[in-house]
Amino acid sequence: DAGVIQSPRHEVTEMGQEVTLRCKPISGHNSLFWYRQTMMRGLELLIYFNNNVPIDDSGMPEDRFSAKMPNASFSTLKIQPSEPRDSAVYFCASSSTRLGTEAFFGQGTRLTVV
Amino acid sequence: AQTVTQSQPEMSVQEAETVTLSCTYDTSENNYYLFWYKQPPSRQMILVIRQEAYKQQNATENRFSVNFQKAAKSFSLKISDSQLGDTAMYFCAHSSGNTPLVFGKGTRLSVIA
Repeated sequence: DAGVIQSPRHEVTEMGQEVTLRCKPISGHNSLFWYRQTMMRGLELLIYFNNNVPIDDSGMPEDRFSAKMPNASFSTLKIQPSEPRDSAVYFCASSSTRLGTEAFFGQGTRLTVV
Repeated sequence: AQTVTQSQPEMSVQEAETVTLSCTYDTSENNYYLFWYKQPPSRQMILVIRQEAYKQQNATENRFSVNFQKAAKSFSLKISDSQLGDTAMYFCAHSSGNTPLVFGKGTRLSVIA
């Protein structure tokens, strides 16, 4: 398996623009997670899905952020409108629902909002 | 709420020496899992080692081992025979069953030649 695949690797956008980050989880994994990494706050969970259903989105910063998982092999994280404080590395991770399994991470998307 | 604390923002070690990274956590669960992840400059998050709370024996993976003290809620990582390739950020993480990983703030480890 190719692992968790995220696109794009890097994104630079202007404030106010819409940004869409994409993720393809490992085939057969039932859980998908979106994390945000910044120097100040470390790795924060934004939202996670089980069997394509959002379970907990309490980590989503505000209404400008939304995430979808239309099927088992694809998820998106959208920011609209984007702001400079959204600049961070966004990771997607997936895991099986078997107890104690680790999460496998994609290579992340580095987002810069100018 | 689950919390994970890594009290050492930065550490350094001489090549071939041993270093220990500290981690404490807080949970009300009795059954849970602990992890150490490595993040090299490439940004990729790589699992280093995993420990199940119900197992008393400390996990070991080659040069990496943990000291799991359940009563103290402590989970330290020992790296033996440090190599230049071990230079990275190291994150301690906790999960209770199917709940998502909760991460500490990380420790930046530099291995010096």
